[in-house]
Amino acid sequence: SQQGEEDPQALSIQEGENATMNCSYKTSINNLQWYRQNSGRGLVHLILIRSNEREKHSGRLRVTLDTSKKSSSLLITASRAADTASYFCATDGYKLSFGAGTTVTVRA
Amino acid sequence: NAGVTQTPKFQVLKTGQSMTLQCAQDMNHNSMYWYRQDPGMGLRLIYYSASEGTTDKGEVPNGYNVSRLNKREFSLRLESAAPSQTSVYFCASSEYGLLAYGYTFGSGTRLTVV
Repeated sequence: SQQGEEDPQALSIQEGENATMNCSYKTSINNLQWYRQNSGRGLVHLILIRSNEREKHSGRLRVTLDTSKKSSSLLITASRAADTASYFCATDGYKLSFGAGTTVTVRA
Repeated sequence: NAGVTQTPKFQVLKTGQSMTLQCAQDMNHNSMYWYRQDPGMGLRLIYYSASEGTTDKGEVPNGYNVSRLNKREFSLRLESAAPSQTSVYFCASSEYGLLAYGYTFGSGTRLTVV
C-alpha cells in the first residue's frame, strides 16, 4: 500500500510558534492529503495537494510536496491551543493509506 | 448537518458475541470505507465499497464482513468477536476515483471485547 509515514511522532511547541511535520511515502501518487484528529474524535480533512502542485495554502496551513523525494510537509503557523491534535498524511486514490500520525501539543 | 453517522458510539462485547456497526452518509458519496485505529498504528483499512453494489477487502479484513445496503449505508459485522478486535472503528465516505477531494469521517465506534 502507498502508506504515508509522518515524522516526528510527537511535537511540543509554545503557543504562537510554528509547527512543522513531515510525511514520506513509497510509490508514485496522484495526490496527498493531510488530516487532523482531535482526541476522541474522527479525522477531519485539512488539505489536499495534487502531484503537479508544489505548494498549497489554507489559512494558517502550508503544505509542500516534493515528488522527487516522495515527501510532503505540513506547516502550521502561529499555533494555538486548539491546534493540539494528531495529524495524519494519506496518499492517493480511492482507498487512502494512513500513517501513524504526528501528535502535536501546543502549550499555553 | 451533512456528514457520516456511526452507531453505536460505544460497545462492550464478550468474546464470541456478534454485532453490526452501522454507518450512514448523506452526501451522496459513491465510496465508503471502514477503518480501525489502534494506538501507535494509525488507521488500517478493513473493507471498502468503491460504489454501490461492490465491496472489497482492505488491509485487515479477517474476522469482519460488510454490507453495502444502499448508496447511503455501509455496515460492518463482527461474527465472533475476539479481544484482538478491541479498537476504535471509523467509517468514512468520499467521491469515487483518483481525484477524490477528501474523506469525511464519522466520529467513531469504540469497541471493547472482553
